[in-house]
Parts: sequence; C-alpha cells; structure tokens
Amino acid sequence: NAGVTQTPKFRVLKTGQSMTLLCAQDMNHEYMYWYRQDPGMGLRLIHYSVGEGTTAKGEVPDGYNVSRLKKQNFLLGLESAAPSQTSVYFCASSYLGPIDTQYFGPGTRLTVL
Amino acid sequence: SQQGEEDPQALSIQEGENATMNCSYKTSINNLQWYRQNSGRGLVHLILIRSNEREKHSGRLRVTLDTSKKSSSLLITASRAADTASYFCATDQGAQKLVFGQGTRLTINP
Repeated sequence: NAGVTQTPKFRVLKTGQSMTLLCAQDMNHEYMYWYRQDPGMGLRLIHYSVGEGTTAKGEVPDGYNVSRLKKQNFLLGLESAAPSQTSVYFCASSYLGPIDTQYFGPGTRLTVL
Repeated sequence: SQQGEEDPQALSIQEGENATMNCSYKTSINNLQWYRQNSGRGLVHLILIRSNEREKHSGRLRVTLDTSKKSSSLLITASRAADTASYFCATDQGAQKLVFGQGTRLTINP
C-alpha cells in the first residue's frame, strides 16, 4: 500500500496563476482533509470531505476549492494564487473521521511569487 | 482558532532524559490524539486517548488526560536522538474534524 500520496512535491507559482494539488489514498478511507502548515501556526484545516461527492469548509477555506469525485482522490485548487498562500500543504485521510487515526501525505511545498 | 495549545513551544534535553509536553484545550472533547512530525515530513499518529480514559501507554510513550482541567500530557521516557521532532496534539470536538495545536519542538542532544 502506498498510503497517502501527494502530487506535486514542490511548486513555484506566480501571483494570479492557478494550480491543482492532487491527493490520493489507497486505504478505502471515507474521510479526507487538506491542511496548510505555516511557521509557528501549526496545522490549519482548509477543506475536508466525509465521503465521495461531499466537501465542507474548514478553518481557512478562502481562496481554495476542492472536489472529491472519486473516493480515493481529493483535489485542492487555487484559482488565482496569492503570496499569502505560500505554505506547505498536507493531505490526510481516515476511515472513521475524528474518532480515528489520520494518515498524512508527505506534503507539497508551494511558493507564490 | 486552535483548540489545542502545546506547552512548551520548544524543549531541549539530553539523550536518555524524559521529555514532557503539555496540551490544553478549551471545550469538551470526544478524544485527544498526539502526532509526531519529523522535519520536512508529514505527521505520524502516536496515540489516541478517549475522553473516558485517564492514562494510556504505548512503548516509551505515556499520555494522560484530565478532562476537568482540559489538559493532556505526553511523556517520552529514555529519549533518543530519533525522538527529535515536533509533537502536536489534536482534539475531536465532535464536528467531523480534528483541531491541531501549534506543536512542541523537541530536540534531543547526544
């Protein structure tokens, strides 16, 4: 099992450009999450999904969109990147949600110039 | 806002010593989890303690939970260089998601 994988690992964007981060899990988990991690800020939840076809806003959703068309994939989109979105993005998944262990991907380091 | 607040923000000890980290939270929870993050990596789950449990062990890890004080502690005994990492607590508030604290950065000196 690959667990949780994220694509790409690194990306540099210019302000105003768009991109999509892909998260894939092969553990048949229902719940999937997107977090961002900034120095001294810990992890902040952007969006999450409790099952295929569902999405919900987290703590810091502005500027991001998500889709969960397939159970194994959770996509995070930036329509018009801003320097404030420079961060490390982590995807996670779990089988039973917050009562269960979350499994994290290796992260995507995004720089917006 | 972050539910869990870890204390201290940074901790540096000698190899072989015990390390204790604390987490405080503000509202009632269903469970509390601890995660470790090595530099540049994703988080790894360490232990989960439910609200009706007071103490849990896993190898060299000991976690306590005091719901009356809304706090938890993580004790790592006989620390090793490989324990150098950041440690995060995460709380389940019953809203289908976990809320993570800002973490404690632990350094084990050889």
